[in-house]
Amino acid sequence: QKEVEQNSGPLSVPEGAIASLNCTYSDRVSQSFFWYRQYSGKSPELIMSIYSNGDKEDGRFTAQLNKASQYVSLLIRDSQPSDSATYLCAVVEETSYDKVIFGPGTSLSVIP
Amino acid sequence: NAGVTQTPKFQVLKTGQSMTLQCAQDMNHNSMYWYRQDPGMGLRLIYYSASEGTTDKGEVPNGYNVSRLNKREFSLRLESAAPSQTSVYFCASSGVTGLYGYTFGSGTRLTVV
Repeated sequence: QKEVEQNSGPLSVPEGAIASLNCTYSDRVSQSFFWYRQYSGKSPELIMSIYSNGDKEDGRFTAQLNKASQYVSLLIRDSQPSDSATYLCAVVEETSYDKVIFGPGTSLSVIP
Repeated sequence: NAGVTQTPKFQVLKTGQSMTLQCAQDMNHNSMYWYRQDPGMGLRLIYYSASEGTTDKGEVPNGYNVSRLNKREFSLRLESAAPSQTSVYFCASSGVTGLYGYTFGSGTRLTVV
């Protein structure tokens, strides 16, 4: 069973700071990686996808991928209280149906 | 609004009762999935349907059955509910495969007493 690991948190950062969320995975052949945001009582929402090594920026969010180290991260710049949520890392295990394996999530709290 | 629609949003069942969770998507997606989410366990795949007419077991299929009624609809049935099936259930869909991410429904919070 391939695994995706995240620090469960909670991670607390002050408003305006950079929040750094980390994820490691065990499947060396994985090629597709995602970050989902889940507010309490709501469903996961896809916020970032990354497929190649390096950085990918979208607004205040930056995803970073290092396949050699089997490591993917999400940086949230100028964190806002509305960013308070659980962030799920997801990795595609390339089976016949491209199985997505979710990490347990990291709870982020942005303190005003 | 385009997306994935799940019904019902909340349900309480007695042990041994049966029920069907409904899911429909209007994005013309081929693949649909049922997950359950439990505290400390994360999202676990129950069943998936890679395309219309096909269904396959995921990580935790015991106690569940599914039907891919057509391209839009994918239902999950609990034949004889057990307290261990108390969970939040999410339906999701994706365009071709899981390679481009999922769109999730709003979820069903199920309690079995």
